[in-house]
Amino acid sequence: GAVVSQHPSRVICKSGTSVKIECRSLDFQATTMFWYRQFPKQSLMLMATSNEGSKATYEQGVEKDKFLINHASLTLSTLTVTSAHPEDSSFYICSARAEQVDNYGYTFGSGTRLTVV
Amino acid sequence: SQQGEEDPQALSIQEGENATMNCSYKTSINNLQWYRQNSGRGLVHLILIRSNEREKHSGRLRVTLDTSKKSSSLLITASRAADTASYFCSGGSYIPTFGRGTSLIVHP
Repeated sequence: GAVVSQHPSRVICKSGTSVKIECRSLDFQATTMFWYRQFPKQSLMLMATSNEGSKATYEQGVEKDKFLINHASLTLSTLTVTSAHPEDSSFYICSARAEQVDNYGYTFGSGTRLTVV
Repeated sequence: SQQGEEDPQALSIQEGENATMNCSYKTSINNLQWYRQNSGRGLVHLILIRSNEREKHSGRLRVTLDTSKKSSSLLITASRAADTASYFCSGGSYIPTFGRGTSLIVHP
């Protein structure tokens, strides 16, 4: 149980285009999801907290107009990288907290490797 | 603030040896969690230890927690090449945050 599905796993896009990444909780409801960005051999940097039915909370330094987050249902959050540039190339990971925190803690998606060319 | 800093940053061992990695955190926690990340993948939850527990086992994993020192350790016994991954800890808070992790390489 407590599976988070993230798609796509890899995407290559041209500079200036937008890319949408989906994060779905498959067998539980997630009122809150988290979006992270990870550079090679670095830690996961929290970008924003996605709240179902309300605006996302962005971490300092993260441009909310560039990284659009939508959490329209209890099982789906999306991150759209708008007008992507090569410096946006990174590994993006979503996470959600299952109800049974003692058993599952936080569940992570498998990540999306974004390459902007 | 970051709730989990792993040490060492890199660890290289031979198959069959034990691997120990440490975690330090800054503020009081209710629990601490360890995660594993294979290259290019998401994080997988390994084990959670509560603040009132001192030690916990799960298969070949042994986790200790010392709340007085704000530290935890993860021991992987009889390591296998498949244990090669990065390992992260996160102090229990509403929003999980991580350090750089320990990159473990187990040579066959």
